[in-house]
Amino acid sequence: DTGVSQDPRHKITKRGQNVTFRCDPISEHNRLYWYRQTLGQGPEFLTYFQNEAQLEKSRLLSDRFSAERPKGSFSTLEIQRTEQGDSAMYLCASSLGYRRNTEAFFGQGTRLTVV
Amino acid sequence: SQQGEEDPQALSIQEGENATMNCSYKTSINNLQWYRQNSGRGLVHLILIRSNEREKHSGRLRVTLDTSKKSSSLLITASRAADTASYFCATEGTSYGKLTFGQGTILTVHP
Repeated sequence: DTGVSQDPRHKITKRGQNVTFRCDPISEHNRLYWYRQTLGQGPEFLTYFQNEAQLEKSRLLSDRFSAERPKGSFSTLEIQRTEQGDSAMYLCASSLGYRRNTEAFFGQGTRLTVV
Repeated sequence: SQQGEEDPQALSIQEGENATMNCSYKTSINNLQWYRQNSGRGLVHLILIRSNEREKHSGRLRVTLDTSKKSSSLLITASRAADTASYFCATEGTSYGKLTFGQGTILTVHP
């Protein structure tokens, strides 16, 4: 197992374009999280899934953002009509959700730059 | 919004010295975790301390938790240049697995 994998690592897009990021969690992990991190700040929670169900969404996740985890394995995060304020590192994490007090494993992130 | 605040925002020390970082939070927690992030990379989990624990050790790391003061500290002993990174505390509240991060402490260890 190679840990949490995110693709692409870097994405540069023009304002107004749509982008999609992919996250492959650790295979036995049923919980998957998306976070956003801007320069000099800690990660901020966006949303999480337990298996294929999206259980919580942050108010940071505007209607331009959508996340899916169709088969309870990999997840995608789509941003429509990107804005310069969307420029950030998008981090995915996974964990075993059957118990409390388990650590989350993070991927290397996708760095988005909107020009 | 960030729940936690970390102090100091930046810390610069010499190799071999100890580094102490503090974290405060606002709401009840199940546990508090510390992560390390090297520049532009993902986060690496360091240690988790449960709300009913007061102190925990892992190698050169020592974490304390004071739930009455809603604060935690991370001590790195005998620091190395390779410890240079940003360190974040994160709290897990009532929503299992959802973490709320502080703004982090940038640690620089000079060889």
